[in-house]
Amino acid sequence: AQSVTQLGSHVSVSEGALVLLRCNYSSSVPPYLFWYVQYPNQGLQLLLKYTSAATLVKGINGFEAEFKKSETSFHLTKPSAHMSDAAEYFCAVSGDTGRRALTFGSGTRLQVQP
Amino acid sequence: DTAVSQTPKYLVTQMGNDKSIKCEQNLGHDTMYWYKQDSKKFLKIMFSYNNKELIINETVPNRFSPKSPDKAHLNLHINSLELGDSAVYFCASSLLSYEQYFGPGTRLTVT
Repeated sequence: AQSVTQLGSHVSVSEGALVLLRCNYSSSVPPYLFWYVQYPNQGLQLLLKYTSAATLVKGINGFEAEFKKSETSFHLTKPSAHMSDAAEYFCAVSGDTGRRALTFGSGTRLQVQP
Repeated sequence: DTAVSQTPKYLVTQMGNDKSIKCEQNLGHDTMYWYKQDSKKFLKIMFSYNNKELIINETVPNRFSPKSPDKAHLNLHINSLELGDSAVYFCASSLLSYEQYFGPGTRLTVT
């Protein structure tokens, strides 16, 4: 069984400030981990993924995430927030080769204040 | 050259009606999925097809029936629509690496 917990349903930062969105996972097999972003009234766009290679993963739009097995975490960060980063962010896990479906966290809405 | 497309984007219908949502991917992927996003933005897998074969069928009412005519298409048919079916339905596809690409979603409103 797999699960994802995203701490903080809403996060507000100032433009130019550090963005930190938290994700903890539970998986009985080595996980594949993903961050997706959803802009209003749009589909989900893949930001980055961890698939058992480098533990520090770089994605699009300046985002990165670090896989920490000991902490079962995969937090998303960006050094400097931009107004265009305001969106809903979802962490997801997949690890069952036969099943493949993603299990999503509940999402974190990021607000960026001018 | 849209990767994963869905039609329609919006669907408003009355209780008791039957409706279908279509999904097509041009990525050459072998697995397609239907997810439901509820009003609180929570996303949950409904179905998954691999090479036209059903591999995931979560606890979904049997009023929902997926159909995959070929590897590039996965349609969702819903019978006897209920108010609780109102949600955004996302189609997605993947190839082996678990990286899934999502369509733009279909917002279903049942009145």
